[in-house]
Amino acid sequence: KAGVTQTPRYLIKTRGQQVTLSCSPISGHRSVSWYQQTPGQGLQFLFEYFSETQRNKGNFPGRFSGRQFSNSRSEMNVSTLELGDSALYLCASSLSGQGHSPLHFGNGTRLTVT
Amino acid sequence: AQSVTQLGSHVSVSEGALVLLRCNYSSSVPPYLFWYVQYPNQGLQLLLKYTTGATLVKGINGFEAEFKKSETSFHLTKPSAHMSDAAEYFCAVRPSMDSNYQLIWGAGTKLIIKP
Repeated sequence: KAGVTQTPRYLIKTRGQQVTLSCSPISGHRSVSWYQQTPGQGLQFLFEYFSETQRNKGNFPGRFSGRQFSNSRSEMNVSTLELGDSALYLCASSLSGQGHSPLHFGNGTRLTVT
Repeated sequence: AQSVTQLGSHVSVSEGALVLLRCNYSSSVPPYLFWYVQYPNQGLQLLLKYTTGATLVKGINGFEAEFKKSETSFHLTKPSAHMSDAAEYFCAVRPSMDSNYQLIWGAGTKLIIKP
């Protein structure tokens, strides 16, 4: 079974621009979560989608948004980029996103904002 | 509030020595517990998980963890460290009866293996 695929792997953007990151979950997984990982803040939860609906949201500004399509693929968008948005963005899929159902992570998109 | 504490941001052991990575959690209800590993430039990979039943859980790559309810701990061990174990390890908790069921993550522990 193919794993979680994130594209692109690396991205360099300028302050003020916007960016869209893509995530294809494992086949059959309906839950997709997004995380931001930085050396200083560790893993921070952005949001989770299940069956095209945002089910949970972390404490990030409205510049961070996402969506999920009917095939469970998900995109994350960041508008008006700031230097502090430089991070590794990780997508994780799960069968249900609940209980003991574990997360399966992609290799991430490393975003650099200059 | 639920929380996860990983003792030591960096742990250094010699190749062949015992690996012990500590994880303590606070949860008002029995939790589901997970250990993940992250190698450089990669995402996180599930090592093992505790749900219910046997408190000693075996995972991949020779790792195991023991759930101790009285100590609210879920420490990760490996009898003999290998150079390939050098990575960052994350402990995570999901309260089993919490309506907000997102994983709560520890800050991570970087495991350094000395030759």
